[in-house]
Amino acid sequence: DGGITQSPKYLFRKEGQNVTLSCEQNLNHDAMYWYRQDPGQGLRLIYYSQIVNDFQKGDIAEGYSVSREKKESFPLTVTSAQKNPTAFYLCASSTSREGPDTQYFGPGTRLTVL
Amino acid sequence: LAKTTQPISMDSYEGQEVNITCSHNNIATNDYITWYQQFPSQGPRFIIQGYKTKVTNEVASLFIPADRKSSTLSLPRVSLSDTAVYYCLVGNSGNTPLVFGKGTRLSVIA
Repeated sequence: DGGITQSPKYLFRKEGQNVTLSCEQNLNHDAMYWYRQDPGQGLRLIYYSQIVNDFQKGDIAEGYSVSREKKESFPLTVTSAQKNPTAFYLCASSTSREGPDTQYFGPGTRLTVL
Repeated sequence: LAKTTQPISMDSYEGQEVNITCSHNNIATNDYITWYQQFPSQGPRFIIQGYKTKVTNEVASLFIPADRKSSTLSLPRVSLSDTAVYYCLVGNSGNTPLVFGKGTRLSVIA
Protein backbone atom coordinates (compact mmCIF):
# COMPACT_ATOMS: atom_id res chain seq x y z
CA ASP A 1 0.00 0.00 0.00
CA GLY A 2 1.25 3.47 -0.85
CA GLY A 3 0.97 6.14 1.76
CA ILE A 4 2.49 8.15 4.55
CA THR A 5 3.37 6.70 7.91
CA GLN A 6 4.15 8.55 11.10
CA SER A 7 5.53 7.10 14.25
CA PRO A 8 4.96 6.90 17.06
CA LYS A 9 1.23 7.59 17.30
CA TYR A 10 1.58 8.84 20.89
CA LEU A 11 4.71 10.29 22.43
CA PHE A 12 5.42 11.53 25.90
CA ARG A 13 8.38 13.70 26.69
CA LYS A 14 9.80 15.26 29.79
CA GLU A 15 10.56 18.94 29.75
CA GLY A 16 14.05 19.68 28.52
CA GLN A 17 14.28 16.63 26.27
CA ASN A 18 14.58 16.62 22.52
CA VAL A 19 12.37 14.20 20.64
CA THR A 20 12.22 13.14 16.99
CA LEU A 21 9.02 12.36 15.11
CA SER A 22 9.26 10.07 12.14
CA CYS A 23 7.58 10.59 8.76
CA GLU A 24 8.02 8.22 5.82
CA GLN A 25 6.28 8.12 2.44
CA ASN A 26 6.41 5.61 -0.40
CA LEU A 27 4.41 7.72 -2.85
CA ASN A 28 7.51 9.01 -4.64
CA HIS A 29 6.43 12.55 -3.77
CA ASP A 30 8.96 15.32 -4.04
CA ALA A 31 7.56 17.63 -1.38
CA MET A 32 6.97 16.95 2.30
CA TYR A 33 5.55 19.09 5.08
CA TRP A 34 5.17 19.27 8.84
CA TYR A 35 2.14 20.91 10.39
CA ARG A 36 1.14 21.41 13.98
CA GLN A 37 -2.46 21.37 15.19
CA ASP A 38 -3.69 22.59 18.56
CA PRO A 39 -7.16 21.75 19.92
CA GLY A 40 -9.97 23.41 17.94
CA GLN A 41 -7.53 25.06 15.58
CA GLY A 42 -6.48 24.65 11.99
CA LEU A 43 -3.08 23.43 10.89
CA ARG A 44 -0.01 25.61 11.12
CA LEU A 45 3.11 25.04 9.03
CA ILE A 46 6.38 24.21 10.79
CA TYR A 47 8.74 23.26 7.96
CA TYR A 48 8.52 22.04 4.41
CA SER A 49 10.85 20.53 1.84
CA GLN A 50 10.35 20.60 -1.90
CA ILE A 51 13.43 18.56 -2.73
CA VAL A 52 15.98 16.35 -1.04
CA ASN A 53 18.63 18.19 0.98
CA ASP A 54 16.62 21.41 1.01
CA PHE A 55 13.93 22.73 3.34
CA GLN A 56 12.27 25.99 4.32
CA LYS A 57 10.91 27.36 7.56
CA GLY A 58 7.20 27.74 7.98
CA ASP A 59 5.25 30.09 10.21
CA ILE A 60 6.21 28.47 13.51
CA ALA A 61 9.67 26.94 12.98
CA GLU A 62 11.22 28.17 16.23
CA GLY A 63 12.16 25.29 18.49
CA TYR A 64 11.96 22.70 15.70
CA SER A 65 14.47 21.23 13.27
CA VAL A 66 14.20 18.93 10.25
CA SER A 67 16.35 17.04 7.77
CA ARG A 68 15.67 15.69 4.29
CA GLU A 69 18.48 13.29 3.46
CA LYS A 70 16.22 10.91 1.57
CA LYS A 71 13.19 11.53 -0.63
CA GLU A 72 11.11 9.15 1.46
CA SER A 73 11.87 10.57 4.87
CA PHE A 74 11.37 13.90 6.62
CA PRO A 75 11.92 13.60 10.39
CA LEU A 76 11.00 16.43 12.73
CA THR A 77 12.91 17.10 15.94
CA VAL A 78 11.15 18.99 18.69
CA THR A 79 13.86 20.60 20.75
CA SER A 80 13.84 21.82 24.32
CA ALA A 81 13.71 25.35 22.90
CA GLN A 82 10.09 24.83 21.85
CA LYS A 83 8.15 26.49 24.63
CA ASN A 84 4.83 24.71 24.22
CA PRO A 85 5.35 21.49 22.29
CA THR A 86 2.25 19.59 23.39
CA ALA A 87 0.21 19.27 20.19
CA PHE A 88 -0.87 17.00 17.34
CA TYR A 89 1.78 16.83 14.61
CA LEU A 90 0.88 16.02 11.03
CA CYS A 91 3.17 15.15 8.16
CA ALA A 92 2.08 15.47 4.54
CA SER A 93 3.48 15.02 1.06
CA SER A 94 2.61 16.17 -2.43
CA THR A 95 3.60 15.93 -6.06
CA SER A 96 3.25 18.44 -8.86
CA ARG A 97 1.87 15.62 -11.01
CA GLU A 98 -1.46 15.92 -9.20
CA GLY A 99 -3.84 18.84 -8.92
CA PRO A 100 -2.99 22.00 -7.02
CA ASP A 101 -3.40 22.08 -3.25
CA THR A 102 -3.50 18.28 -3.12
CA GLN A 103 -1.61 16.84 -0.20
CA TYR A 104 -1.63 13.44 1.43
CA PHE A 105 -1.48 13.39 5.20
CA GLY A 106 -0.17 10.85 7.64
CA PRO A 107 -2.12 9.67 10.69
CA GLY A 108 -0.38 12.11 13.02
CA THR A 109 1.66 11.94 16.21
CA ARG A 110 0.25 13.29 19.44
CA LEU A 111 3.06 14.69 21.57
CA THR A 112 2.53 15.37 25.25
CA VAL A 113 5.12 17.07 27.42
CA LEU A 114 4.95 16.01 31.02
CA LEU B 1 -3.42 33.70 -0.88
CA ALA B 2 -7.15 34.17 -1.06
CA LYS B 3 -8.78 34.29 2.35
CA THR B 4 -11.70 31.98 3.00
CA THR B 5 -14.62 32.31 5.40
CA GLN B 6 -16.81 29.41 6.44
CA PRO B 7 -19.18 28.73 9.33
CA ILE B 8 -17.55 27.59 12.55
CA SER B 9 -20.02 24.77 13.11
CA MET B 10 -23.13 23.07 11.74
CA ASP B 11 -25.48 20.41 13.03
CA SER B 12 -27.50 17.98 10.95
CA TYR B 13 -29.64 14.90 11.41
CA GLU B 14 -28.75 11.64 9.79
CA GLY B 15 -30.07 11.22 6.27
CA GLN B 16 -30.21 14.92 5.49
CA GLU B 17 -28.26 16.75 2.83
CA VAL B 18 -25.69 19.14 4.27
CA ASN B 19 -24.43 22.20 2.44
CA ILE B 20 -21.38 24.06 3.72
CA THR B 21 -20.67 27.37 2.05
CA CYS B 22 -17.26 28.98 1.81
CA SER B 23 -16.69 32.62 0.85
CA HIS B 24 -13.56 33.57 -1.06
CA ASN B 25 -14.09 37.06 -2.46
CA ASN B 26 -10.46 37.55 -3.48
CA ILE B 27 -10.06 34.34 -5.46
CA ALA B 28 -7.55 34.68 -8.29
CA THR B 29 -8.19 33.67 -11.88
CA ASN B 30 -6.01 30.57 -11.67
CA ASP B 31 -7.06 29.49 -8.17
CA TYR B 32 -8.79 26.19 -7.51
CA ILE B 33 -11.17 25.44 -4.63
CA THR B 34 -10.31 22.40 -2.57
CA TRP B 35 -12.08 20.80 0.39
CA TYR B 36 -10.53 18.57 3.02
CA GLN B 37 -12.20 16.45 5.71
CA GLN B 38 -10.62 15.76 9.08
CA PHE B 39 -11.83 13.23 11.63
CA PRO B 40 -10.72 13.60 15.26
CA SER B 41 -7.10 12.58 15.84
CA GLN B 42 -6.52 11.90 12.14
CA GLY B 43 -4.86 13.79 9.30
CA PRO B 44 -6.99 15.75 6.83
CA ARG B 45 -8.20 13.92 3.75
CA PHE B 46 -8.74 15.48 0.33
CA ILE B 47 -12.38 15.10 -0.68
CA ILE B 48 -13.05 17.28 -3.70
CA GLN B 49 -11.62 20.03 -5.88
CA GLY B 50 -13.07 22.28 -8.55
CA TYR B 51 -12.50 25.35 -10.65
CA LYS B 52 -15.98 26.29 -11.86
CA THR B 53 -19.58 25.05 -12.15
CA LYS B 54 -20.12 21.67 -10.53
CA VAL B 55 -17.94 18.76 -9.60
CA THR B 56 -19.24 15.49 -8.20
CA ASN B 57 -17.50 12.41 -6.90
CA GLU B 58 -18.47 9.44 -4.77
CA VAL B 59 -18.22 11.46 -1.58
CA ALA B 60 -19.55 14.94 -2.29
CA SER B 61 -20.51 17.61 -4.78
CA LEU B 62 -18.96 21.02 -5.14
CA PHE B 63 -20.99 23.90 -6.54
CA ILE B 64 -19.19 27.00 -7.78
CA PRO B 65 -21.15 29.99 -9.13
CA ALA B 66 -20.00 31.91 -12.17
CA ASP B 67 -18.30 34.68 -10.17
CA ARG B 68 -16.38 32.06 -8.12
CA LYS B 69 -16.54 34.24 -5.01
CA SER B 70 -18.06 31.41 -3.02
CA SER B 71 -18.46 27.66 -3.21
CA THR B 72 -20.72 25.09 -1.56
CA LEU B 73 -19.73 21.63 -0.47
CA SER B 74 -22.75 19.32 -0.55
CA LEU B 75 -22.81 16.06 1.37
CA PRO B 76 -25.80 13.90 0.42
CA ARG B 77 -27.64 11.93 3.09
CA VAL B 78 -25.10 12.32 5.88
CA SER B 79 -24.49 9.62 8.44
CA LEU B 80 -22.92 9.74 11.89
CA SER B 81 -19.58 8.89 10.29
CA ASP B 82 -19.60 12.20 8.43
CA THR B 83 -19.07 14.04 11.72
CA ALA B 84 -15.79 15.85 11.08
CA VAL B 85 -14.19 19.20 10.42
CA TYR B 86 -14.36 20.39 6.82
CA TYR B 87 -11.79 22.83 5.47
CA CYS B 88 -12.15 25.02 2.39
CA LEU B 89 -8.90 26.09 0.70
CA VAL B 90 -8.31 28.32 -2.29
CA GLY B 91 -5.08 28.31 -4.26
CA ASN B 92 -3.15 27.15 -7.28
CA SER B 93 0.01 25.77 -5.80
CA GLY B 94 1.77 22.58 -6.65
CA ASN B 95 4.33 21.59 -4.10
CA THR B 96 3.82 24.40 -1.65
CA PRO B 97 2.26 24.50 1.82
CA LEU B 98 -1.48 24.70 2.37
CA VAL B 99 -3.10 27.37 4.51
CA PHE B 100 -5.80 25.96 6.74
CA GLY B 101 -8.35 28.05 8.61
CA LYS B 102 -10.37 26.65 11.52
CA GLY B 103 -12.79 24.87 9.19
CA THR B 104 -16.44 23.96 9.78
CA ARG B 105 -17.18 21.44 12.50
CA LEU B 106 -20.09 19.29 11.29
CA SER B 107 -21.94 17.28 13.90
CA VAL B 108 -24.37 14.67 12.63
CA ILE B 109 -27.05 13.67 15.09
CA ALA B 110 -29.01 10.40 15.09
